[in-house]
Amino acid sequence: EAQVTQNPRYLITVTGKKLTVTCSQNMNHEYMSWYRQDPGLGLRQIYYSMNVEVTDKGDVPEGYKVSRKEKRNFPLILESPSPNQTSLYFCASSPRGQGRRNEQFFGPGTRLTVL
Amino acid sequence: EDKVVQSPLSLVVHEGDTVTLNCSYEVTNFRSLLWYKQEKKAPTFLFMLTSSGIEKKSGRLSSILDKKELFSILNITATQTGDSAVYLCAVCPTHGSGNTGKLIFGQGTTLQVKP
Repeated sequence: EAQVTQNPRYLITVTGKKLTVTCSQNMNHEYMSWYRQDPGLGLRQIYYSMNVEVTDKGDVPEGYKVSRKEKRNFPLILESPSPNQTSLYFCASSPRGQGRRNEQFFGPGTRLTVL
Repeated sequence: EDKVVQSPLSLVVHEGDTVTLNCSYEVTNFRSLLWYKQEKKAPTFLFMLTSSGIEKKSGRLSSILDKKELFSILNITATQTGDSAVYLCAVCPTHGSGNTGKLIFGQGTTLQVKP
């Protein structure tokens, strides 16, 4: 089944404890992105990647890191989480091709709480 | 600054009603506009619009883009309780070669359809 998977789905952690949220897609998509969703603010892009070893900042990159060492994986790293990073996080992927790169397929989401 | 604004932010209707959701945008170098539906989980893709005046249709849902006035509408006819969801509008700017994975989302419109 074509899908984007994220792990963990739920996480409660404490301030300053490094964590990684994994994202994997099995559709051979070139483009991958991370978003956070907060009430009243909609989805905001954190980082995106156009291919292996090619990443760029989205609208809210502060406090996050990403890497794209393999095409299928795009982990999100919080080196020192803070309570303002409590949010619902989505990973998404999309294929290369005229217009198609925008048709992003979303993972199920990771609800993160930082105490 | 690029931005996408949706209206109304929330809407309550009864089954059988027709609704129109609005999305206006200010984006440098517009490439495409997308609509997503989100029901308590990951957003799912509805439409992608790139050209003015060409209606996209899927069942009871339809959408159209006006690139001169910088807005799009999403229409839902004969609404059903299953249409209750958050509807998200997103715009993709082009950049340089055009190869980006960047999406700018609006705040979303929460639609509730009552029996």
